[in-house]
Amino acid sequence: DTAVSQTPKYLVTQMGNDKSIKCEQNLGHDTMYWYKQDSKKFLKIMFSYNNKELIINETVPNRFSPKSPDKAHLNLHINSLELGDSAVYFCASSRPGQGFDEQYFGPGTRLTVT
Amino acid sequence: GQQVMQIPQYQHVQEGEDFTTYCNSSTTLSNIQWYKQRPGGHPVFLIQLVKSGEVKKQKRLTFQFGEAKKNSSLHITATQTTDVGTYFCADLEYGNKLVFGAGTILRVKS
Repeated sequence: DTAVSQTPKYLVTQMGNDKSIKCEQNLGHDTMYWYKQDSKKFLKIMFSYNNKELIINETVPNRFSPKSPDKAHLNLHINSLELGDSAVYFCASSRPGQGFDEQYFGPGTRLTVT
Repeated sequence: GQQVMQIPQYQHVQEGEDFTTYCNSSTTLSNIQWYKQRPGGHPVFLIQLVKSGEVKKQKRLTFQFGEAKKNSSLHITATQTTDVGTYFCADLEYGNKLVFGAGTILRVKS
């Protein structure tokens, strides 16, 4: 029973292409997130959604567009991919405000832009 | 914005030795969470500290939150090879935004 799943696990593509990463959680959480982990393992939040509404948008280039069709799904579309976009992208979810603020992370999508 | 500094960057220990990683901030931290990421894996929640001076234990792991809520530490007693990975602290800010420290990579030699 996978709690937070992401597809694909690996993504290799060329500069200038457009790609999407999908995320689904079956935990019944209200809030979902996208994080970027760079080659030095630094983790930085990109976006968060609560009940399909954008809550956090962290100075991410507008080539990145999150979409939440329902509260169990949060997808990330990236236009005109650049070399610097190469990283591991993690989706996460949580149910904040209930005294349990832990975030559950998906397995990650390793994006390589060549 | 808030910055969370974490040291050391790397730590190599002999199995059975202790390990500590520290997080510091120049401003007051809201709530501190700790995560562990195994090599090739994803971050996994360990614990959340909320109160000033709080100390929590999980088996060989001891977590502390400073009295002024500007620092936190994770101490592992008698490390085992299963402890290898990267340990992250993170400040849980308004809007459930996690601001992560840079992480400490722990390697354990058996």
